[in-house]
Amino acid sequence: DGGITQSPKYLFRKEGQNVTLSCEQNLNHDAMYWYRQDPGQGLRLIYYSQIVNDFQKGDIAEGYSVSREKKESFPLTVTSAQKNPTAFYLCASRDRGKMNIQYFGAGTRLSVL
Amino acid sequence: EDQVTQSPEALRLQEGESSSLNCSYTVSGLRGLFWYRQDPGKGPEFLFTLYSAGEEKEKERLKATLTKKESFLHITAPKPEDSATYLCAVQAGGYGQNFVFGPGTRLSVLP
Repeated sequence: DGGITQSPKYLFRKEGQNVTLSCEQNLNHDAMYWYRQDPGQGLRLIYYSQIVNDFQKGDIAEGYSVSREKKESFPLTVTSAQKNPTAFYLCASRDRGKMNIQYFGAGTRLSVL
Repeated sequence: EDQVTQSPEALRLQEGESSSLNCSYTVSGLRGLFWYRQDPGKGPEFLFTLYSAGEEKEKERLKATLTKKESFLHITAPKPEDSATYLCAVQAGGYGQNFVFGPGTRLSVLP
């Protein structure tokens, strides 16, 4: 089955700690995205990548970092500089064909201990 | 600045009571408008994409329509399993990421 796999489903971060959220896709999509979702707000873009070894900051990139070494993988690191990391994090990949649709993973809920 | 608003914020319907959700947008050069369904604690699930004013798409009890300034998601004779948050997103023209999401409408269908 083709899809996007995010792990872990739940993650807890201690003060001063960096944590990494995993996102893997087997849809053969070039473009991948990370969004943050807070209650009552729309999805906000953290980072995106159109191609391997290239990525761009989104609207709320401060305190986050990413890498894109493989087409299938786009991990997100939440650094200790992100002072309010508690949120639901969603990874997506996009079909750049004529439909241009974003498909999402199941999400990772990050909480601070 | 590209913007998407959705109304109402929340909607409660009785089973079988039809209604519509609204998505209003301002965007420079619309490339596409997307509707998603999101269940609690899960990722959004793609429903429809619309590309030009006048276009309509249907799937079971859902029908999406598009004008130059807004889109409607019509729900006909809803069932409790239609309860979810419905998200609207637009993609503007230009290179790179330019998807803008609305805050969603939380729909509850009571039996």
